[in-house]
Amino acid sequence: GQQLNQSPQSMFIQEGEDVSMNCTSSSIFNTWLWYKQDPGEGPVLLIALYKAGELTSNGRLTAQFGITRKDSFLNISASIPSDVGIYFCAGGLNAGGTSYGKLTFGQGTILTVHP
Amino acid sequence: SQTIHQWPATLVQPVGSPLSLECTVEGTSNPNLYWYRQAAGRGLQLLFYSVGIGQISSEVPQNLSASRPQDRQFILSSKKLLLSDSGFYLCAWSLGRGRALDNEQFFGPGTRLTVL
Repeated sequence: GQQLNQSPQSMFIQEGEDVSMNCTSSSIFNTWLWYKQDPGEGPVLLIALYKAGELTSNGRLTAQFGITRKDSFLNISASIPSDVGIYFCAGGLNAGGTSYGKLTFGQGTILTVHP
Repeated sequence: SQTIHQWPATLVQPVGSPLSLECTVEGTSNPNLYWYRQAAGRGLQLLFYSVGIGQISSEVPQNLSASRPQDRQFILSSKKLLLSDSGFYLCAWSLGRGRALDNEQFFGPGTRLTVL
């Protein structure tokens, strides 16, 4: 099956620094999504991307859908302590039928922010 | 607005005991529903998904089963729990309109299951 390679696996940064993480795939996705998970809670959708080359922002977060459809990145600017958590990328296919709504998740990036 | 509920929040069960986890969604109709398991805070493994009442697809052969008795209710069950069933179980929903927006999945708060 499809697999996503998410990197880095973990990051330790100082408050105020910018953060960048990415996901790559060996096959094409038509949708890329980024989630954040706080300890003991369910993941929360941050950004959804639907077009190759699309660049979308949500506050201090910016994500891009790669031109090849096989990658995506997420940037966080001016990090703050509440950015701590696990960030997951996910790729989706909308080829019709039961392929709708089935996502492939990356293994996550653990972000630690030191005050 | 839509909300998703899961219960119980935590559960400790002995090996060999049965399991029933419940998930309900409010504020939408005919959603796609999903059960995931997450081990050690990393990686979400899709267990089951459903596109309608009584329609269940299994992604991984295992000791678990799922049912969807009502449009917005999704249940994860087991007849006899194994130690390896321990983990964080997440339910999610997405629109079931047959479009790209179906890819946007929204997760519940999760159930922490410990099998002893």
